[in-house]
Parts: sequence; structure tokens; C-alpha cells
Amino acid sequence: AQSVTQPDIHITVSEGASLELRCNYSYGATPYLFWYVQSPGQGLQLLLKYFSGDTLVQGIKGFEAEFKRSQSSFNLRKPSVHWSDAAEYFCAVAGYGQNFVFGPGTRLSVLP
Amino acid sequence: DADVTQTPRNRITKTGKRIMLECSQTKGHDRMYWYRQDPGLGLQLIYYSFDVKDINKGEISDGYSVSRQAQAKFSLSLESAIPNQTALYFCATSAKNYNEQFFGPGTRLTVL
Repeated sequence: AQSVTQPDIHITVSEGASLELRCNYSYGATPYLFWYVQSPGQGLQLLLKYFSGDTLVQGIKGFEAEFKRSQSSFNLRKPSVHWSDAAEYFCAVAGYGQNFVFGPGTRLSVLP
Repeated sequence: DADVTQTPRNRITKTGKRIMLECSQTKGHDRMYWYRQDPGLGLQLIYYSFDVKDINKGEISDGYSVSRQAQAKFSLSLESAIPNQTALYFCATSAKNYNEQFFGPGTRLTVL
């Protein structure tokens, strides 16, 4: 069965600083990988996804993520964080025809 | 208009009451899902449906039931609510043969 860990429960960065949110997964076959963002009081919005091909994936709002099979990781990055990026971020893994498994989430706080 | 809607958005009820949460979608997707979100646990799958005649239990289905009234409608019921069912509930949809899921805004349920 697949599983997802997000080692950081809460991260605080200053506005303008770079950001990396970690995601590690366990899955026996080629995974489909996703990052979602949940702003306060909102549903989940897809930031980006990896199905195959280029291991560096570009998403919305200036985010990118890199799939590293050897490390079973799919870390999310942004070069310069904005105050509006404060939210909770969820990594998820799925297999072909399989249901999603979500990580526990990382809460991002942004200092002015 | 939102593609995935949930009603009600907030509900406070008492132990032992029957509660129904409703989800509607205009995306034309076959697959629909109900998740529960608790702090620090990410999203856990309650039930999912691949079409009107196909209902499946997720990882935490005890105490819940669902009804798929039409392709566009998927309801979640708590037959006799208990306080540990206090949580944020999300409906999601996905197209057949794709895994990307689209989420509703959530229903915050409090059971006293």
C-alpha cells in the first residue's frame, strides 16, 4: 500500500525567502504525485502534478516540484515566498487506478 | 459558479442526530469521493463511487453511509452522529482514467 510522509508539520519563512517543503512516498510502482494547497476556509487546490516525463514539474503560483525516484521524494519549492502563500500544503500519491493517499500536511507561515 | 459544491458549509448538531452532507458537481466526472480532514492526519477516504451503481468503502467508513443519486450528486450520511465525527468533510471528483481530483469547499461539522 502506498503512503506519504511530510516530515515538517509547520514551517515559518520570511516573505521573499525561498521555500522547500518535503514529501516522501512509498509505492511499489511508478507513482502519480500531487501537491495541493489549502488556504484557510477553502478547499484543496491543485498546485502541480507528476505523471511521467520531465522530473521537474512547474505548477501554478510560481511553485515547482522535483521527482527523485532514488530518494522516493517529491519536494515542493518556490524561490520567493509571498505573504499570500501562507496555507497548508498536502502531498499525495496515487497509482494507476488507485485512490489517493494524502500526507498529513505542512502548515506554512510567512513573516512580513 | 463553483464546479464542486457542498451543502451545508457549516453544521452544528447533537449526539445521536442523523446528518446528511450533500455534494454536487458540474464537471461531468464519473468518480466522486468523500474525505474527512482532521488536524495532523491529512485527508482520509470515507467512501468513493466510480459511477451511480458503484459504491465502495474507504479506509474509515464505519459510522457513515453514502448515496449516489445521480452522476452529479453524492451524499454522505451520519446515521447517529457522535462527537468524534467532528471534522472538516470534503467532497471531490475525478474523471475516469485520470487521477487528478477536484475538491469542494468543505463542510465543517461539529457534533456536541
